[in-house]
Amino acid sequence: EVQMVESGGDLVQPGGSLRLSCAASGFTVSSHYMSWVRQAPGKGLEWVSVIYSGGGTKYADSVKGRFTISRDKSNNTLYLQMNSLRDEDTAVYYCARSPVEFTTFGVVIHEFDYWGRGTLVTVSS
Amino acid sequence: DIVMTQTPLSLPVTPGEPASISCKSSQSLLDSGDGNTYLDWYLQKPGLSPQLLIHTVSYRASGVPARFSGSGSGSDFTLKISRVEAEDVGVYYCMQRIEFPRTFGQGTKVEIK
Repeated sequence: EVQMVESGGDLVQPGGSLRLSCAASGFTVSSHYMSWVRQAPGKGLEWVSVIYSGGGTKYADSVKGRFTISRDKSNNTLYLQMNSLRDEDTAVYYCARSPVEFTTFGVVIHEFDYWGRGTLVTVSS
Repeated sequence: DIVMTQTPLSLPVTPGEPASISCKSSQSLLDSGDGNTYLDWYLQKPGLSPQLLIHTVSYRASGVPARFSGSGSGSDFTLKISRVEAEDVGVYYCMQRIEFPRTFGQGTKVEIK
């Protein structure tokens, strides 16, 4: 059974740092494209970052230079290192899995087929 | 970035009646390479994580009831519920998957009248 469990959310002051974890079971993190998606209180969904199966990464402009996505194959876990946190980073952070398919047309990144339950990050003084 | 625009943002529905949500993208979501159009629909039920409903415009995810259907092409898409049930309440999001950054619509809140 596929499961993803986020942790690490906390109350942190502006300018502080936090590392989120997403522990996966039932599949191999490094074989998929793995994303972080966040949701500010009462707001919609915002994609944050992705790590490719090959290790490449991409970020939303709003977090570029401050957040770093990574993974650890030994414990099958996805991470999000969050530095220089701002009030507007307050949100529930979800990890989401995208299967990837290699076709004659290139790489097809599939939909977010599984999501974790989320972890709350609150940035406030 | 591709802008996704959903209408309406709020949709009161009567159980047993149909419902429809529109999603428009600021540019075509058709991948000219493989011919697929990369538009997905997610439902976030109250207090829960988002869940996949429809992928690649019209393909229902595993376990999704047949009353849900997706249609559209290019930059104009629709999610339809043939007969709304009480368990369908929540916020529906469309999302484009043709490029990064992934972008979502604002969400459509479906509630029972």
